[in-house]
Amino acid sequence: AQSVTQPDIHITVSEGASLELRCNYSYGATPYLFWYVQSPGQGLQLLLKYFSGDTLVQGIKGFEAEFKRSQSSFNLRKPSVHWSDAAEYFCAVGANNNNDMRFGAGTRLTVKP
Amino acid sequence: DTGVSQDPRHKITKRGQNVTFRCDPISEHNRLYWYRQTLGQGPEFLTYFQNEAQLEKSRLLSDRFSAERPKGSFSTLEIQRTEQGDSAMYLCASRRTTNEKLFFGSGTQLSVL
Repeated sequence: AQSVTQPDIHITVSEGASLELRCNYSYGATPYLFWYVQSPGQGLQLLLKYFSGDTLVQGIKGFEAEFKRSQSSFNLRKPSVHWSDAAEYFCAVGANNNNDMRFGAGTRLTVKP
Repeated sequence: DTGVSQDPRHKITKRGQNVTFRCDPISEHNRLYWYRQTLGQGPEFLTYFQNEAQLEKSRLLSDRFSAERPKGSFSTLEIQRTEQGDSAMYLCASRRTTNEKLFFGSGTQLSVL
């Protein structure tokens, strides 16, 4: 079965600094990959997804992620973080049928002024 | 607001009691999912409906858990004889097709005392 590892439990960056959140997945075939953001009291919101094609995926709110098959990674990046980006970020992987999505444990992002 | 709605937002119950949660998906979405999220973890897949048919169930879904979607619209998740380990956020999500993004509700926070 597919699985996801997010190595960083908590990351703190200064406002305006660049951000990279790590995600490693395990799945035998080509995965469906997602990044979601969850703010306190809010539902999970999709930032971006990768199914096939261009390995650099652009998402909402200025986020992007790059699928690297050789490294089994799908890291999320943003060139300049805003205070409103403080939230919990989840990487997820779906199998062929894409119904049983597996989420990582999440990375909590704190943004310093 | 035409997003996924869940009711109640919070539920406190005593161990051994039965609880039922409701999810109203986005109206044209025939795929509906239930997830459970505990503190510090990502959401865990519980079960999936396509219209009224429950097509997949996780091994996490013990026989104390039952989910229904009788008319292919709203869904209910019932937990019988609740245990303290059932304390978690129960999330519902929906989408039209497998390749579209999931829309999540804000969840029902269950506390079992």
